[in-house]
Amino acid sequence: QSALTQPASVSGSPGQSITISCTGSSSDVGDNNYVSWYQQHPGKAPKLMIFDVSNRPSGVSNRFSGSKSGNTASLTIFGLQAEDEGDYFCSSHTSDSRYVFGIGTKVTVL
Amino acid sequence: QVQLVQFGAEVKKPGASVKVSCKSSGYTFTDYYIHWVRQAPGQGLEWMGWINPNSGYTHYGQRFQGRVTMTRDTSLSTTFLELSTLRSDDTAVYYCARGTRVSHYSSLFDPWGQGTLVTVSS
Repeated sequence: QSALTQPASVSGSPGQSITISCTGSSSDVGDNNYVSWYQQHPGKAPKLMIFDVSNRPSGVSNRFSGSKSGNTASLTIFGLQAEDEGDYFCSSHTSDSRYVFGIGTKVTVL
Repeated sequence: QVQLVQFGAEVKKPGASVKVSCKSSGYTFTDYYIHWVRQAPGQGLEWMGWINPNSGYTHYGQRFQGRVTMTRDTSLSTTFLELSTLRSDDTAVYYCARGTRVSHYSSLFDPWGQGTLVTVSS
């Protein structure tokens, strides 16, 4: 199972919006609505930001939004803030009941 | 609150095995899957497999088949990951994470343990 494709880096100024893409195949992202997104700060464990494509866990800011079209899922961060800087990983359930992660995207707030 | 606790770090020689633990608290242990995910230094996340703590049934990532064993001790609310025939590229932080309710489908890993660093070096 190959890792999902994400851009290596995305940057934006405070207050702007950015979108991170996550491209897979018909065997993972395109197969179901079980895509999630994680934020990771250096030296810390990942934190769930979005699950099942577009659902936000309690406590996660509504500035984070998820969507999916075909084999590509996306995470949009509205009103970018300094604390949003970090690495972001997508994950998808696969057709053989396994999971696969994206390669990760480094978000920089300019 | 729901918590997954992992302890310490391990240093192993190539060819050896390692067993790391993950203790769950704050919820009914047997109601939720536990997943194991690793992260090599400076690299991304790699899913290794899941265990159903109720039945003990496991499902592993293809590249770990034959080398990984996940078990649980329900009396301790603890899950174990054992990786054998270690190589230098197995050096990584190994995380456990709670998945969805058993027999439900979802994509969430939440929360995560703090990770156990396993270093493989001669």
